[in-house]
Amino acid sequence: QLQLQESGPGLVKPSETLSLICSVSGASISSDNHCWGWIHQPPGKGLEWIGNICYGGSTYYNPSLKSRVAISVDTSKNQFSLKLSSVIAADTAVYYCARKPYSYGPFNYWGQGALVTVSS
Amino acid sequence: DIQMTQSPSTLSASIGDRVTITCRASQSISLWLAWYQQKPGKAPKVLIYDASSLESGVPSRFSGSGSGTEFTLTISSLQPDDFATYYCQQYNSYSPYTFGRGTKLEIK
Repeated sequence: QLQLQESGPGLVKPSETLSLICSVSGASISSDNHCWGWIHQPPGKGLEWIGNICYGGSTYYNPSLKSRVAISVDTSKNQFSLKLSSVIAADTAVYYCARKPYSYGPFNYWGQGALVTVSS
Repeated sequence: DIQMTQSPSTLSASIGDRVTITCRASQSISLWLAWYQQKPGKAPKVLIYDASSLESGVPSRFSGSGSGTEFTLTISSLQPDDFATYYCQQYNSYSPYTFGRGTKLEIK
């Protein structure tokens, strides 16, 4: 059974870098059939896609965040990570990692989410 | 960006009711649309993908229809477990992926 689990600091200071890891169990992150993504949800608000990393290392980012985002994979640990730089209070959100098919398809497996608060 | 306009934002209904939620895309997305259910404090769960395909394990009272720019999610007979927030999402292209603003389904 595929499981995803987010981990990382729950509190980040303004202007610093938010870093989260998604640990994957039950499947290989090197699979050529899937992409791995991040989605965030500010408290009480809707969902916003941040970006994906796919087989071969191709990355796709939301243009609204592209200048501040980096997603990478560590195949040796079966993990992928999110870095969001120069954070502001508006980046406070629950951050979800998720998996989708390599081609067209929804995010059909999700982590439980990690709340990250940006505050001094 | 492809904008996803979801309506209504809130819907009050009773057990056993048939309810419909609509999602409109700002340009054609073919069939590349999913519907998710989210309960408080939980991750979204996919119900429908490719506009009308039922995800494995999802009750058959959920159905999706539409293509191009107009899509609907229908729950044929509301059950207590269905009161939640529902989101549509387009995955037509990395333009970027976008979600609707959500429909909160409440008990009347």
